Amino acid sequence: GQQLNQSPQSMFIQEGEDVSMNCTSSSIFNTWLWYKQDPGEGPVLLIALYKAGELTSNGRLTAQFGITRKDSFLNISASIPSDVGIYFCAGGGTDSWGKLQFGAGTQVVVTP
Amino acid sequence: EAQVTQNPRYLITVTGKKLTVTCSQNMNHEYMSWYRQDPGLGLRQIYYSMNVEVTDKGDVPEGYKVSRKEKRNFPLILESPSPNQTSLYFCASSHKDTPSYEQYFGPGTRLTVT
Repeated sequence: GQQLNQSPQSMFIQEGEDVSMNCTSSSIFNTWLWYKQDPGEGPVLLIALYKAGELTSNGRLTAQFGITRKDSFLNISASIPSDVGIYFCAGGGTDSWGKLQFGAGTQVVVTP
Repeated sequence: EAQVTQNPRYLITVTGKKLTVTCSQNMNHEYMSWYRQDPGLGLRQIYYSMNVEVTDKGDVPEGYKVSRKEKRNFPLILESPSPNQTSLYFCASSHKDTPSYEQYFGPGTRLTVT
């Protein structure tokens, strides 16, 4: 399948700092999504993007669908302890309805 | 409460012993899917189903079977498990009338094959 490159792999930040992570692909996607996974649980959808150039916010989270349709980024502002977890990007391609390709994830650790 | 449930949550088994992981959703979703999660690899799709009796292979289907006899259930079957199938498995579902990429995930099943 298509390869998504997600970076950074992990990040250790202090409470109150902003966080930024991104995903790039060698192929075009029609949809970019960002999920968060808490320990021992399944991924939960944070933001879905459906249009190139789209910038969408959900509380302290902001995500953008890149103009080239090959990349996306997620920002978290003013991080808090409950932001700890693994964040996954996912791309929905043109080859099959509902089929998602996931990045390897970004582990976020927030210290007080 | 709208949810996707999986059973069991944890399973330790031996090579070659057939097992089934069940998945059930109560949201009347048409689309269901199975993923496996391995460190450094993210989630990879095993099989998916667009509706009852309609299933198709994902990216890593080898060694797995699925069936979709009822809309709410989508069991994952390992006929002869091997150690390389040790992984964390997730079931997901979505409604066809909402963007199908907005999938709801179950809590996961951690499988160890010795």
